[in-house]
Amino acid sequence: DAGVIQSPRHEVTEMGQEVTLRCKPISGHNSLFWYRQTMMRGLELLIYFNNNVPIDDSGMPEDRFSAKMPNASFSTLKIQPSEPRDSAVYFCASVLGGEQFFGPGTRLTVL
Amino acid sequence: GENVEQHPSTLSVQEGDSAVIKCTYSDSASNYFPWYKQELGKRPQLIIDIRSNVGEKKDQRIAVTLNKTAKHFSLHITETQPEDSAVYFCAPTDTGRRALTFGSGTRLQVQP
Repeated sequence: DAGVIQSPRHEVTEMGQEVTLRCKPISGHNSLFWYRQTMMRGLELLIYFNNNVPIDDSGMPEDRFSAKMPNASFSTLKIQPSEPRDSAVYFCASVLGGEQFFGPGTRLTVL
Repeated sequence: GENVEQHPSTLSVQEGDSAVIKCTYSDSASNYFPWYKQELGKRPQLIIDIRSNVGEKKDQRIAVTLNKTAKHFSLHITETQPEDSAVYFCAPTDTGRRALTFGSGTRLQVQP
């Protein structure tokens, strides 16, 4: 198994642009989590899905952020419009039995 | 929501010494207690975990101890090596609700 796959690995964009981050969880894992990590705020849970259904999105910072999981093998996190303060590493993780398997992350820089 | 605190926030030890990191939590429904290690520029990875029916678990140089009554669990690293230098996170979890909260992290530096 290739593990959790995220794309792109790096994204540099300008303020105001739409950004879409993608995640493919490990097959058979039925929960998927999106996190944001910065030096200032550490590792923050944004949203998680169980069986493709969003369960808790209380960590999503504002309406500019949205996440979808149209099927068990794919999820997206979209930021529209992006702002410089959104610059961070975004991780997704798929979960089995409580253990989180993290993807390699997407490093987002918004200029 | 769950309140999770990790102490200390930074820890510097000499190679060969032991290191202990403590995690306190508030949700009595938490039943799964993992520790994750994140090396610089990499993703967090599980290094050891314990479930609420066990008080201690050991895997070579690392161990985790759990005190459910007091709502805390600790990571113990013995005979530290420079490659143990990383940020360590606890993440007490209620597996029934799939709810978890990551601690703020402890930066461990092992001096050669």
